[in-house]
Order: sequence, then structure tokens, then C-alpha cells
Amino acid sequence: DQQVKQNSPSLSVQEGRISILNCDYTNSMFDYFLWYKKYPAEGPTFLISISSIKDKNEDGRFTVFLNKSAKHLSLHIVPSQPGDSAVYFCAARGDGTSYGKLTFGQGTILTVHP
Amino acid sequence: EAEVAQSPRYKITEKSQAVAFWCDPISGHATLYWYRQILGQGPELLVQFQDESVVDDSQLPKDRFSAERLKGVDSTLKIQPAELGDSAMYLCASSLQGGNTEAFFGQGTRLTVV
Repeated sequence: DQQVKQNSPSLSVQEGRISILNCDYTNSMFDYFLWYKKYPAEGPTFLISISSIKDKNEDGRFTVFLNKSAKHLSLHIVPSQPGDSAVYFCAARGDGTSYGKLTFGQGTILTVHP
Repeated sequence: EAEVAQSPRYKITEKSQAVAFWCDPISGHATLYWYRQILGQGPELLVQFQDESVVDDSQLPKDRFSAERLKGVDSTLKIQPAELGDSAMYLCASSLQGGNTEAFFGQGTRLTVV
């Protein structure tokens, strides 16, 4: 039972354009959502987060949108840069078992072409 | 900048052997997590500590895996005996309190069981 899903295994975008990464979840108890970026052979790096009481959070080129009724969140990167090429994981906290535990999606490989 | 330290970075071991990983969280972080990431999947929580106490080990295969955080600071994850299916990236993360704070990940230990 996968509670957090990233249905697109990969995304290819031209430099300067917008990248949109999507994530769906099933557990309505999740109260906090995060996006992590991961390069090969390294640990995930925190990017941006959003509380379930908000619908948008922005940090520089990164914006996360949350649609609670649809149980959907998305990460927008504008403009995309070649250095953004990495695996992006969405994660959700608060599944009703232990507080702080993060449930991750499978990841989306983003490739930004020069 | 404070980091989560993990060692070793890479480990190759024969099946049925014992293997151990070490993690030193960011100073002052009370919550420590061990995650396992299989290639092509998102990280999955193995065990979560609050100070020296285990708060969630529901996904830890306790017949072969053990984890400790004796003084509430650094932590060790052990596998004995290792099996081929244990090959994965083992990630340690820490957060201030596990609640409304982001988790920061170390670089991970890549385990290969042959």
C-alpha cells in the first residue's frame, strides 16, 4: 500500500523552461509535505516544504502547491537549470503511526537540457 | 555548515557476514532516523529514535537488524547475517525534534552483499 506516489518516473525539460513534478497521496492524516533532491551516491537534500494548512509555499525558483481536496502536491521550478538535474522525492509526514516519520514517493528523475 | 556524518560510504560484504554502519547526527538534534533506499524506490524508514529511545521500529527486520543510540547522540545500525536482498543505500537523518522540523540526511552508506 503505497501512500505517496510519484507517477512520472522521469521528466525532461529544456533549460529556462518550467519543470513541474507531481505527487499524490492517499493518507488524509499527513500534515506536512516536503520535497527532497538527490544526486547519485549522495543523501537527499531538503528543498522546500509546506504545511497542510497552506496551499502554496515559495522559495526562490521553487514553489510547492498543495491541493488537499485532490490529495495532490506539485513542485514548480522556474526557470529550470542544468544543475537541477537530479532525482526528486516528495515526502509526507504524520501517517498516524509515529510523529516525524517521513513516507517517501518513488522519485522522479529530472533532466534539464542546456 | 552542520552535517549528518555517516561511515563507511561504501561497504561490500559477503552474505552471512555481519556489517555495521555508524551515524553522527547534527549536534543538538534529538531525533535520529535510519532509512533504507533500494534502487528505483524512495527511502523507507527502518527505525526512529527520540534521544536514546526507539519510537518506531515497526519496519526493522528484527531477526537480523539491530540499532542502538546508547547515549542519545551517535547511532549504530547492524545487520547479522547479511543477505543478498540487503544490498541498498542506508541513510541516516536527524531533526531537532521530529515534529515541525525538517530532517537532514547524511550521504549514506552504499551496501553491496555478494
